[in-house]
Amino acid sequence: DADVTQTPRNRITKTGKRIMLECSQTKGHDRMYWYRQDPGLGLRLIYYSFDVKDINKGEISDGYSVSRQAQAKFSLSLESAIPNQTALYFCATSDLTLNTEQFFGPGTRLTVL
Amino acid sequence: RKEVEQDPGPFNVPEGATVAFNCTYSNSASQSFFWYRQDCRKEPKLLMSVYSSGNEDGRFTAQLNRASQYISLLIRDSKLSDSATYLCVVMGSNYQLIWGAGTKLIIKP
Repeated sequence: DADVTQTPRNRITKTGKRIMLECSQTKGHDRMYWYRQDPGLGLRLIYYSFDVKDINKGEISDGYSVSRQAQAKFSLSLESAIPNQTALYFCATSDLTLNTEQFFGPGTRLTVL
Repeated sequence: RKEVEQDPGPFNVPEGATVAFNCTYSNSASQSFFWYRQDCRKEPKLLMSVYSSGNEDGRFTAQLNRASQYISLLIRDSKLSDSATYLCVVMGSNYQLIWGAGTKLIIKP
């Protein structure tokens, strides 16, 4: 079984709808991240969490919110989706040590019409 | 200027050849550097960290040039399976990772 899972894997929705993307991990890591990837751009950090009680905004948090329900679960919400939020979304985890690898989920391809 | 810049490619290289990519970064205070590999429509995976003294892992060699603020990745004896996008990643002063947009490599038989 995959260490980092994301649901759904693909989603098509309409402008104005509320969407939740979910991420679960079995690696036992404290740190979790949400990124989006757009063609021609690097991964951009949306939100990150260093433990259950810690939530931090990333580079592009506007229009998004997150919830860290447990050490293993970190969800991303789009309260009112807009077309420029069409992107590939990745969840990632890492342990507490600096300079360590981030482990990614398989991604969620979101299309907002 | 982007914080991390890469040539998007694609680099079309015959199997068995040697290929090298560079990546430039703007923050001279950056301390940690990485190369990730991303296959088409898949998640990124760590290829290797880049150490100040340079490091080698099989056919892959990574180098850091702090004076000119770039890192490089050299792939020797390229394989068809090396076809992927290679992402340059730099740890910023706030310990967040800054990702390049990637260099696409296509190995041709």
